[in-house]
Amino acid sequence: DAMVIQNPRYQVTQFGKPVTLSCSQTLNHNVMYWYQQKSSQAPKLLFHYYDKDFNNEADTPDNFQSRRPNTSFCFLDIRSPGLGDAAMYLCATSRDSGSYEQYFGPGTRLTVT
Amino acid sequence: GESVGLHLPTLSVQEGDNSIINCAYSNSASDYFIWYKQESGKGPQFIIDIRSNMDKRQGQRVTVLLNKTVKHLSLQIAATQPGDSAVYFCAENGAAGNKLTFGGGTRVLVKP
Repeated sequence: DAMVIQNPRYQVTQFGKPVTLSCSQTLNHNVMYWYQQKSSQAPKLLFHYYDKDFNNEADTPDNFQSRRPNTSFCFLDIRSPGLGDAAMYLCATSRDSGSYEQYFGPGTRLTVT
Repeated sequence: GESVGLHLPTLSVQEGDNSIINCAYSNSASDYFIWYKQESGKGPQFIIDIRSNMDKRQGQRVTVLLNKTVKHLSLQIAATQPGDSAVYFCAENGAAGNKLTFGGGTRVLVKP
């Protein structure tokens, strides 16, 4: 089945130690999104790629970076994780931006010790 | 703006009853709306969407109603089942139209 895959599902990192989360998709969608979701809160958009064009949200900390080497893969890099970065990180894709359904992956639960 | 809070509104429903989940959206320029279901430890799952040129859309056991006058969206679930227990989020595409902004979420608990 075509889908959005996130690895790993659970990630533990130490305070200040860089970590990379990965997302891949078999839907051949143009747009890929990264969201941060904390407990009992709505997903918060960090940034998205429309094809190779990177779009950062104004309030996304500089500590968060992203790479999209090709259509299928997108990475979230957290350069120096703090305790406040512990959250579920969700990757999503859509065929086009705006008025199209976003397909979400299962998420990566990040723990910072 | 972002919804911040430690406690989600909770709707407790008897199995077999109908559920209605409400959402007030913020941007009158939004022309696309979507409901997601999120079970514990999983990513959001598409339920149903609606465009602003419609005021009602039906799916399997679900109906979405859109009232643009008061910027209100609702999701109706018919004959609620235990598998419907989850957190439900509405989302709108906003003024820029190129991304979704999520509402705060409602937890639905189905009692047997």
